[in-house]
Amino acid sequence: DAKTTQPTSMDCAEGRAANLPCNHSTISGNEYVYWYRQIHSQGPQYIIHGLKNNETNEMASLIITEDRKSSTLILPHATLRDTAVYYCIVRVRRDDKIIFGKGTRLHILP
Amino acid sequence: EAQVTQNPRYLITVTGKKLTVTCSQNMNHEYMSWYRQDPGLGLRQIYYSMNVEVTDKGDVPEGYKVSRKEKRNFPLILESPSPNQTSLYFCASSPYGQGTNYGYTFGSGTRLTVV
Repeated sequence: DAKTTQPTSMDCAEGRAANLPCNHSTISGNEYVYWYRQIHSQGPQYIIHGLKNNETNEMASLIITEDRKSSTLILPHATLRDTAVYYCIVRVRRDDKIIFGKGTRLHILP
Repeated sequence: EAQVTQNPRYLITVTGKKLTVTCSQNMNHEYMSWYRQDPGLGLRQIYYSMNVEVTDKGDVPEGYKVSRKEKRNFPLILESPSPNQTSLYFCASSPYGQGTNYGYTFGSGTRLTVV
């Protein structure tokens, strides 16, 4: 199973783009990269996912390197409500299990 | 509204008194799962189910039971709760079987305290 590595915490100024990196150097060719976030003690919230192309939705953009060994989640205009723990996850196909790491605690500074 | 509903939200119980945390989803999802979250340990999977009558152990199944008699429901059963099961519990669901193109929907959580 591919594992992910994320920084423990990051700060970002309100209104600026927040760029959250994730390393998944052992990812397999058919495994997707997913991002979730958890605000305080609420249930994790799905943000975005991708295989090898860059993806964008109303919440964020996902940039995956060409070798797929790392990715970056971009929140284009961070607000205080984006303060949360962000999890980068690689999905294991064979049994649909997802493994949460420790995530990155993102602090948005006013 | 598409959602995963857990009950109760908060529960304080005593050691050894059997309890059930219910989880229900209204999205016709095949896959359901239970997680527990503890400070410093992140989210850990307890059990999961890929469809009715199919359940499998996750990373920390000891002390827990589950059942999947209906597609929409996936209760978590603690036959004899102990203080080390004090935790924040989440239920999640997703479609399954059409690749991995789907995110998970999580419930709001159940905060369990065993004294």
